Amino acid sequence: DSGVTQTPKHLITATGQRVTLRCSPRSGDLSVYWYQQSLDQGLQFLIQYYNGEERAKGNILERFSAQQFPDLHSELNLSSLELGDSALYFCASSTNPLGISYNGKQFFGPGTRLTVL
Amino acid sequence: DAKTTQPNSMESNEEEPVHLPCNHSTISGTDYIHWYRQLPSQGPEYVIHGLTSNVNNRMASLAIAEDRKSSTLILHRATLRDAAVYYCILTRVYNQGGKLIFGQGTELSVKP
Repeated sequence: DSGVTQTPKHLITATGQRVTLRCSPRSGDLSVYWYQQSLDQGLQFLIQYYNGEERAKGNILERFSAQQFPDLHSELNLSSLELGDSALYFCASSTNPLGISYNGKQFFGPGTRLTVL
Repeated sequence: DAKTTQPNSMESNEEEPVHLPCNHSTISGTDYIHWYRQLPSQGPEYVIHGLTSNVNNRMASLAIAEDRKSSTLILHRATLRDAAVYYCILTRVYNQGGKLIFGQGTELSVKP
């Protein structure tokens, strides 16, 4: 158990709909990362937040957005869903991703499996 | 982002050492070398990381070439539970906050 929780575990929805995936980082971790894993694209970095602020952006579609709240949990919002958005979505957290305190570890949650029909 | 190259797959026998290679010829001075693994139906799991010197932890050892253009993850005694996809990743911490850019990885199978 990594200490990172993600809800829901599974989500089945239809094209055109909007969903919200939730992530609670490990206690004390300030940084949250979102990744998408699909069969054709592999594991892709989407976006990172650090203490409530967006830190880095990857291949995240404009239809997707994220935020990190004052209690440090994060939500990934996916809208106008398409069949190709079906994937596993992982959240990870780390203690301090910056500078001399960097310890190299990200802890991944169990993922949310999204199926778009 | 600097690129890494790994073999697509490797096989090992249980209780034997495994050496998983990774080439990263375009590595820069501030790139850390990370290894993560993903067991079936699970999220990725941190294995080890290093900058210039060899590193050991309870899971594995990381051997880094002197010129840093390649590295090897060493599992000292493979178990069936080590069957996973192993990812070698370079991370530029100071500029990019430690995001992980995954490649295809090496799928390790372990035979009893």
